[in-house]
Amino acid sequence: SQTIHQWPATLVQPVGSPLSLECTVEGTSNPNLYWYRQAAGRGLQLLFYSVGIGQISSEVPQNLSASRPQDRQFILSSKKLLLSDSGFYLCAWSVWVNRTQYFGPGTRLTVL
Amino acid sequence: AQSVTQPDIHITVSEGASLELRCNYSYGATPYLFWYVQSPGQGLQLLLKYFSGDTLVQGIKGFEAEFKRSQSSFNLRKPSVHWSDAAEYFCAVASGGSYIPTFGRGTSLIVHP
Repeated sequence: SQTIHQWPATLVQPVGSPLSLECTVEGTSNPNLYWYRQAAGRGLQLLFYSVGIGQISSEVPQNLSASRPQDRQFILSSKKLLLSDSGFYLCAWSVWVNRTQYFGPGTRLTVL
Repeated sequence: AQSVTQPDIHITVSEGASLELRCNYSYGATPYLFWYVQSPGQGLQLLLKYFSGDTLVQGIKGFEAEFKRSQSSFNLRKPSVHWSDAAEYFCAVASGGSYIPTFGRGTSLIVHP
C-alpha cells in the first residue's frame, strides 16, 4: 500500500532563517506531487506541484521554492523565512488516472 | 474554470443527530468530486469520491454523499453523528482535463454531547 511521510512534524524558526521540508511517498511510481499551505482557520492554498523529476510548477509567487530530486521525494525550501510563512504545510500525491489526492500528516511551521 | 462553494463555515449538531454538509460546484462536464476530513493538527483524509455511475456514494466512517447534476451539488450526509466526527470537512472538484482539484473553504463541524 502507499504511504506518504512528511518531516519534521513541527518546526519553529526565526525570521530570516532557511527552511527545508521534506515529503516522501512509498508504494507508487511517478506520482504527481503537491505542496499546500493552510493558514490558521483558512482553506488550502496550492503552492507547487510536480508531474515528474525536476518538473516544478509554481502556483503562487512567494518566498518559497520546491524541488523534486527523486521520483518520490518533494522538498519545500526557503532561503529566508518571513513571518507570513507560518502555517501548516501539507504534501499530497496523486496519480493521473483517478485524480484522487492523498495527503501527508503535515508540518506545523512557526516563524518568530 | 472549476470552483467549489461550501456555504456553511460552521455547523453545530448534537451527538446522535443527522448531518448534511453542503457542497456546490461549478463545472460544465461531469466532474470528479471528493470529500475530505481533517482533524486538528492532522492531514486530510479521503472520506469518499465520485467519478461516475451510481450517484449515491458510500464512504468511510458511515458517511455518504449524493451527486445531483441538476443542482450542481455533492452534499455529504451521515445519519447519526458521533462526537469523534467533530472536524473540518472539505469538498473538492477536479475536471477531466486537470489533475489538480479545487478545494472549498471547508466547513467546521461542532458536535455537542
